[in-house]
Amino acid sequence: GAVVSQHPSRVICKSGTSVKIECRSLDFQATTMFWYRQFPKKSLMLMATSNEGSKATYEQGVEKDKFLINHASLTLSTLTVTSAHPEDSSFYICSARAGTVYNSPLHFGNGTRLTVT
Amino acid sequence: DAKTTQPNSMESNEEEPVHLPCNHSTISGTDYIHWYRQLPSQGPEYVIHGLTSNVNNRMASLAIAEDRKSSTLILHRATLRDAAVYYCILRDAYNFGNEKLTFGTGTRLTIIP
Repeated sequence: GAVVSQHPSRVICKSGTSVKIECRSLDFQATTMFWYRQFPKKSLMLMATSNEGSKATYEQGVEKDKFLINHASLTLSTLTVTSAHPEDSSFYICSARAGTVYNSPLHFGNGTRLTVT
Repeated sequence: DAKTTQPNSMESNEEEPVHLPCNHSTISGTDYIHWYRQLPSQGPEYVIHGLTSNVNNRMASLAIAEDRKSSTLILHRATLRDAAVYYCILRDAYNFGNEKLTFGTGTRLTIIP
């Protein structure tokens, strides 16, 4: 089945530094990928929609200059958390649609747990 | 997207069937009903989806009410590995270019050994 791989699975960084998270579709091409954030005991909140070869679409309230998204190929999207602060500590999850039919299920990565100290 | 309502939590005994309800009284004619689940410390996993007819796959069954205002995810024989948060999500089949999934709070399913 379709696999979405995220890397790293865990990262700890110091306040003020930047962190890059990779999301790869391993056996399919994804023109669109989605980035979510999840705080403990809470549901997933969509941050942005990543489109291959064009600018990402951010949800209301998400700072595009802080959460930089690059979708340079059909199998790779990256999320960079710039100048990270402790409040950015969260579980970040990406997803992509594998099938060509619009209503095909989305496949999710296993998430990246970011801790900012 | 239309809203769904699920119980916050449910418990079930291992090896027994589990029925997870979802209410979606404002569902539109083109909304598909999708179910995903999220195991602890993992990303969500697709379970099943349907439009009007009941659906079965290797993971679960989806029973959709005749008026489509509610649905039930059925796990036929729960195992400890089924302990997860289950999300019922409506997705407009014709909202091209807007494929995102909007997650609610879901139902936290606990399986009792």
